[in-house]
Amino acid sequence: DTGVSQDPRHKITKRGQNVTFRCDPISEHNRLYWYRQTLGQGPEFLTYFQNEAQLEKSRLLSDRFSAERPKGSFSTLEIQRTEQGDSAMYLCASSLAQGNEKLFFGSGTQLSVL
Amino acid sequence: GQQLNQSPQSMFIQEGEDVSMNCTSSSIFNTWLWYKQDPGEGPVLLIALYKAGELTSNGRLTAQFGITRKDSFLNISASIPSDVGIYFCAGQLNSNDMRFGAGTRLTVKP
Repeated sequence: DTGVSQDPRHKITKRGQNVTFRCDPISEHNRLYWYRQTLGQGPEFLTYFQNEAQLEKSRLLSDRFSAERPKGSFSTLEIQRTEQGDSAMYLCASSLAQGNEKLFFGSGTQLSVL
Repeated sequence: GQQLNQSPQSMFIQEGEDVSMNCTSSSIFNTWLWYKQDPGEGPVLLIALYKAGELTSNGRLTAQFGITRKDSFLNISASIPSDVGIYFCAGQLNSNDMRFGAGTRLTVKP
């Protein structure tokens, strides 16, 4: 396993469409995080999972956003009825829950909503 | 929420020069981390700091966790062209999310 992988790398969609992104974490990592990053800013926390349980959600995560990690391995992030303001880089990260959090990030999915 | 102020916003330096950037917060953090991000890629972890006053090196990089737990700095010595990128500080308190600064964009002229 070479690291966190995300698919797709780029997604262009029309406003109002639904999109789904996938993240495969480092295999032995039990924590998985989703972040959003807009141009000129640092990543902003969206949500995280420990194994299959979603333990925390940011207020940035509107009800159009839903994340799942059904078997505690890969995760999906779905955005329904996309808006132009959803355009951003969506980053996934994983870590071992051992008290000292080192997050390892994937290359991200760049979403453009037209 | 916790606000991280990272400075400078950008730096233009000559190859071989040393670089210093810092991050301050109004909140206390238990962990400080420094990441580097290249265009179109995710952030890559450079250094992690876990104790107030801790000074840690990774090759030409040195980072310190401030005594007050509200700040951290990153130094890069003898910069080279591949140091170009955006450097982010990140702080974590006890919650399970990590807060990032807005980044320092580094340009190195050969």
